[in-house]
Amino acid sequence: DAGVIQSPRHEVTEMGQEVTLRCKPISGHDYLFWYRQTMMRGLELLIYFNNNVPIDDSGMPEDRFSAKMPNASFSTLKIQPSEPRDSAVYFCASSLVQGRAGNLNEQFFGPGTRLTVL
Amino acid sequence: DAKTTQPTSMDCAEGRAANLPCNHSTISGNEYVYWYRQIHSQGPQYIIHGLKNNETNEMASLIITEDRKSSTLILPHATLRDTAVYYCIVRVGISGAGSYQLTFGKGTKLSVIP
Repeated sequence: DAGVIQSPRHEVTEMGQEVTLRCKPISGHDYLFWYRQTMMRGLELLIYFNNNVPIDDSGMPEDRFSAKMPNASFSTLKIQPSEPRDSAVYFCASSLVQGRAGNLNEQFFGPGTRLTVL
Repeated sequence: DAKTTQPTSMDCAEGRAANLPCNHSTISGNEYVYWYRQIHSQGPQYIIHGLKNNETNEMASLIITEDRKSSTLILPHATLRDTAVYYCIVRVGISGAGSYQLTFGKGTKLSVIP
């Protein structure tokens, strides 16, 4: 399996521009998570989906952020308009929550997208 | 969630066992211990988890004390590629609101030395 795939790996944009980050989860996984990592705040959960349905978006910082999962193999995180404080590494992770007890939090992370907003 | 305490940093000689401790004295009966690591510039990587019995997989072993107030992650033969920040996380293992939030603390920075 190729693991979780994210694109682009690096994104540099100017303030006010729209940014779209993409994620392909591991085939067969039924949960998908979007995280953001900064030096100041560490790793933060933004939103997660179960079977393509958003379950908890309480971590989304504000209305400028939106996420979709149109099918089981693709998700996007969009920032419009982007601001310099959105600069961070954004990770996508997926999980298969069944089988061995306790594997609820066995999440597989992608390589991340490093976003820089100038 | 139960709070965890880990040493800030540790060194280990290449080829030797790396033993990473974690204290979680307020752990509840339904909470699991999870270990992740993050190699520089990569996403976090799941290593292992357990409830009360010791666990072993191809990456590591997890030793949980009988009172479950502490645990140790063991990398049996550390290599340079094991240099990373290791996170100990205590979480419930059942679904429910908020169950999926993995709270990564500061972890232990393990440096494997040639």
